[in-house]
Amino acid sequence: GQQVMQIPQYQHVQEGEDFTTYCNSSTTLSNIQWYKQRPGGHPVFLIQLVKSGEVKKQKRLTFQFGEAKKNSSLHITATQTTDVGTYFCAGDSGGYQKVTFGTGTKLQVIP
Amino acid sequence: NAGVTQTPKFQVLKTGQSMTLQCAQDMNHNSMYWYRQDPGMGLRLIYYSASEGTTDKGEVPNGYNVSRLNKREFSLRLESAAPSQTSVYFCASRTGAVGQPQHFGDGTRLSIL
Repeated sequence: GQQVMQIPQYQHVQEGEDFTTYCNSSTTLSNIQWYKQRPGGHPVFLIQLVKSGEVKKQKRLTFQFGEAKKNSSLHITATQTTDVGTYFCAGDSGGYQKVTFGTGTKLQVIP
Repeated sequence: NAGVTQTPKFQVLKTGQSMTLQCAQDMNHNSMYWYRQDPGMGLRLIYYSASEGTTDKGEVPNGYNVSRLNKREFSLRLESAAPSQTSVYFCASRTGAVGQPQHFGDGTRLSIL
């Protein structure tokens, strides 16, 4: 079945440093979504990418969808302590409602 | 606006006991999902319901059953709980259009002794 891997699994950064997480799918995705889960919380939707090569920005966060629609990345510029949490990508494939979540990247920001 | 409501929030069971986790959404969503999240792990799909009246297996369906009671409610049942099912269970819903975001409940923290 479809697998979605994320690297790195963990990342510790000093506050103010940049952070990037990468998402790779074993199959072509129709779209990709990114979620953030704060410690003890539930995943919260951040953004969706649909088009090949698409780039979207939300303040300090930049999201990219690969040309082949099999990979994606999330880049955070100048991290803050409020960025702490686990970031997940999730993808739909085909016309089905089944969604596969990536393995997640846990970000720790050191003040 | 309650969104997705899960009950109970916490539960401790003994091995072999059964229980049902409840999930209800008030957003008129067609699709609903059950995930489990083990410590330090990602979200693994147990079952999903693309629309009222349909259910399908996800990645880890063994040991679970589901019921899509109506458009609002999607329950998850453990018939004979095992320690390996100790986890946090999340219910989610979305409109039903492919690619639309999922809205999650707060989760049920389940421990099986």
